Amino acid sequence: GAVVSQHPSWVICKSGTSVKIECRSLDFQATTMFWYRQFPKQSLMLMATSNEGSKATYEQGVEKDKFLINHASLTLSTLTVTSAHPEDSSFYICSAMDRGNYGYTFGSGTRLTVV
Amino acid sequence: GENVEQHPSTLSVQEGDSAVIKCTYSDSASNYFPWYKQELGKGPQLIIDIRSNVGEKKDQRIAVTLNKTAKHFSLHITETQPEDSAVYFCAAMTTDSWGKLQFGAGTQVVVTP
Repeated sequence: GAVVSQHPSWVICKSGTSVKIECRSLDFQATTMFWYRQFPKQSLMLMATSNEGSKATYEQGVEKDKFLINHASLTLSTLTVTSAHPEDSSFYICSAMDRGNYGYTFGSGTRLTVV
Repeated sequence: GENVEQHPSTLSVQEGDSAVIKCTYSDSASNYFPWYKQELGKGPQLIIDIRSNVGEKKDQRIAVTLNKTAKHFSLHITETQPEDSAVYFCAAMTTDSWGKLQFGAGTQVVVTP
């Protein structure tokens, strides 16, 4: 089946630094990828939709200058959390859509801790 | 926009019993309804899905039913096992929403031996 690889699985960074998270579709081309944020014991909150070759579409309330998304190829999308602060600590999850069959596959998630 | 409600928020079942989780959606244009299982510290994993042209789908111990008229769909897990313990999320999507999934709040399922 479809596989989405997300790296790193966890990262600890100092306040004020930037962190990049990668999301790769391994066996299919994903023209569209999605980035979610999940706080403990809560549901997934969509942050942005990443389209290959074009600018990402951000959900209301998500700072596009803080959460930079790049989808430069059909198999890779990256999320960069810029100038991270402790309140950015969360579980970030990407997903990729195989438009051929509406199949949605999620990455394994990245636990970001900002200290 | 779409709104998905999920109940119950927690569900404790005895091993071997059945578990049922129910979701309702608001947008009658929604036509794809997946269910995900999420274990602690991991990403959601698709366990079953159903499209709006089907009323029921089954995969071994897992089944999903869809009632388009009432705009609700349910997950049924039979013969529950301890490894079924996890958080389960329902979701809904419309094809004209550019693939955006709207998730329910999740159900923590605990299967006790």
